[in-house]
Amino acid sequence: TQLLEQSPQFLSIQEGENLTVYCNSSSVFSSLQWYRQEPGEGPVLLVTVVTGGEVKKLKRLTFQFGDARKDSSLHITAAQPGDTGLYLCAGGRGYGGATNKLIFGTGTLLAVQP
Amino acid sequence: GAGVSQSPRYKVAKRGQDVALRCDPISGHVSLFWYQQALGQGPEFLTYFQNEAQLDKSGLPSDRFFAERPEGSVSTLKIQRTQQEDSAVYLCASSPLRLRNTEAFFGQGTRLTVV
Repeated sequence: TQLLEQSPQFLSIQEGENLTVYCNSSSVFSSLQWYRQEPGEGPVLLVTVVTGGEVKKLKRLTFQFGDARKDSSLHITAAQPGDTGLYLCAGGRGYGGATNKLIFGTGTLLAVQP
Repeated sequence: GAGVSQSPRYKVAKRGQDVALRCDPISGHVSLFWYQQALGQGPEFLTYFQNEAQLDKSGLPSDRFFAERPEGSVSTLKIQRTQQEDSAVYLCASSPLRLRNTEAFFGQGTRLTVV
């Protein structure tokens, strides 16, 4: 059972367009991470946000953690074909303050056409 | 090694066969996770180890699934009497013990196909 719902599930856009991916839950998480996964590979971490309301920028990618730490968004500006992949959010659930058990979202498959 | 290594990369098993999937985590990483991923979906948690202790196995779908990490390093996920619904990519991840914002480093996964 996925506790984190992502939308949209699929997204096909033209190079240069902007897009936003949403990650929503009814649960509170101690941290929220975004990963990108390419075919035949494991997910690779893009960013970690830990504070409610936090905004982080990574070049053309902007990540936001909701004030209540239940949701997050990923905004990509001027998408490029190299951005194509499966985008996954993952919520951290601490084991008594130690390392996190990561619960992944349902995934957003992005295709950027040249 | 430099990253998390999983073997085999691909496994085809006949229904009813037992399989063993291996994970070599990053050296020194205390935490190790196993996930199951269906095509185009997010990974689903199976089990978690801290060193050799299996602290959480709540995601294992049935008693046919068993994982071990006897020396706190290499881990093996074993599936007995495989069924077609077990077909998926099995991902292993490791991370250092760190408060709150742990980064998980993933292997390339083992794609299991049960025929």
